[in-house]
Amino acid sequence: AQSVTQLDSHVSVSEGTPVLLRCNYSSSYSPSLFWYVQHPNKGLQLLLKYTSAATLVKGINGFEAEFKKSETSFHLTKPSAHMSDAAEYFCVVVDTSYGKLTFGQGTILTVHP
Amino acid sequence: SAVISQKPSRDICQRGTSLTIQCQVDSQVTMMFWYRQQPGQSLTLIATANQGSEATYESGFVIDKFPISRPNLTFSTLTVSNMSPEDSSIYLCSGGAGESTDTQYFGPGTRLTVL
Repeated sequence: AQSVTQLDSHVSVSEGTPVLLRCNYSSSYSPSLFWYVQHPNKGLQLLLKYTSAATLVKGINGFEAEFKKSETSFHLTKPSAHMSDAAEYFCVVVDTSYGKLTFGQGTILTVHP
Repeated sequence: SAVISQKPSRDICQRGTSLTIQCQVDSQVTMMFWYRQQPGQSLTLIATANQGSEATYESGFVIDKFPISRPNLTFSTLTVSNMSPEDSSIYLCSGGAGESTDTQYFGPGTRLTVL
């Protein structure tokens, strides 16, 4: 079975400072991993995905994530936070058979002026 | 990419009644899924909607409570039956090609409140 753990339920940063959202996964095979973002009262939007190609993945809005197999981690980062980044972020591991998604518990990112 | 719409966007229902949620994709997708997001929680997969056959349910979810239809490759419905306040959640559908590397697209969700 596969699972994903987001290590922080809430992260608070100041505008212009770096963002780090942590995610660890468990899988018996080399997984596909995604990060989704959910803004208040909006649908889920894919930020980026890792699919066994380059370990450093760049996504939309300046976000990137690095797949580290030795640490079973897929942390999401952004060099400089913007107010519009305030949202809930989900780390997701994908079932390779049918594309079923297993979601982490989510991290709520708050950005202060 | 695919654009997914859901109807209704929200509803308030009485205990004991049923609600059917529709999910429409603007292009054919191999796989469609239904998720539940309870207040303050993450998304939990309810079932895989299979075209032309019975849905595949995850542990803890049963067909009598959440009957699902998928008559073609662009449309699916989820019914929440005999509702109780514990069913108050956001219900989301998603669709994708079914390959693990492919993006899965989500509908905007249906916010259900059961009184």
